[in-house]
Amino acid sequence: SQTIHQWPATLVQPVGSPLSLECTVEGTSNPNLYWYRQAAGRGLQLLFYSVGIGQISSEVPQNLSASRPQDRQFILSSKKLLLSDSGFYLCAWSVLTGDFRLNTEAFFGQGTRLTVV
Amino acid sequence: GENVEQHPSTLSVQEGDSAVIKCTYSDSASNYFPWYKQELGKRPQLIIDIRSNVGEKKDQRIAVTLNKTAKHFSLHITETQPEDSAVYFCAADLSGNTPLVFGKGTRLSVIA
Repeated sequence: SQTIHQWPATLVQPVGSPLSLECTVEGTSNPNLYWYRQAAGRGLQLLFYSVGIGQISSEVPQNLSASRPQDRQFILSSKKLLLSDSGFYLCAWSVLTGDFRLNTEAFFGQGTRLTVV
Repeated sequence: GENVEQHPSTLSVQEGDSAVIKCTYSDSASNYFPWYKQELGKRPQLIIDIRSNVGEKKDQRIAVTLNKTAKHFSLHITETQPEDSAVYFCAADLSGNTPLVFGKGTRLSVIA
């Protein structure tokens, strides 16, 4: 069965420090991978998505970046964190189905609660 | 790109009553519409989804309806229970290589 691992679960970082959040998926190949951010009491904001190794699409210009060094690994990074980067970060994956390559259910990781102080 | 609007942002119902959450989308080519439930501090999880070739889908107390002409879809929860209290997100997907676009969520509170 497929599983998604995201770590760490919680993180407290000072302003200006770097960030690296990692997400890995097991049990599937060539998944679509996503990073979402959820501010307190708010909706799911798409940050990045990837349809293949080295292919990253950015939805929101900011001081974050993403990389996909391996098929089932997705990394979210920042060189210098801002206070506004605080939030709940969620990694997700989905696969395509059928002849028409339709999207299917997205499965979310447990999330990382980041507090920038 | 796709834009999804969701209403209401908060909803309180008495236990046993029905709850309805509505979403509209902008891109008529979108063809997949999932609904997610997120309990406090946890990850969103799929509760029901519908594709554009279907007008309605039901799973026990939960149903989703889709009106492609009007570009809106709705979640219906009947006989609500306290454990239905959560944040619900609708989403729309254009194609396999585009990401899910989520609504801003509805916080549902079921009052016992």
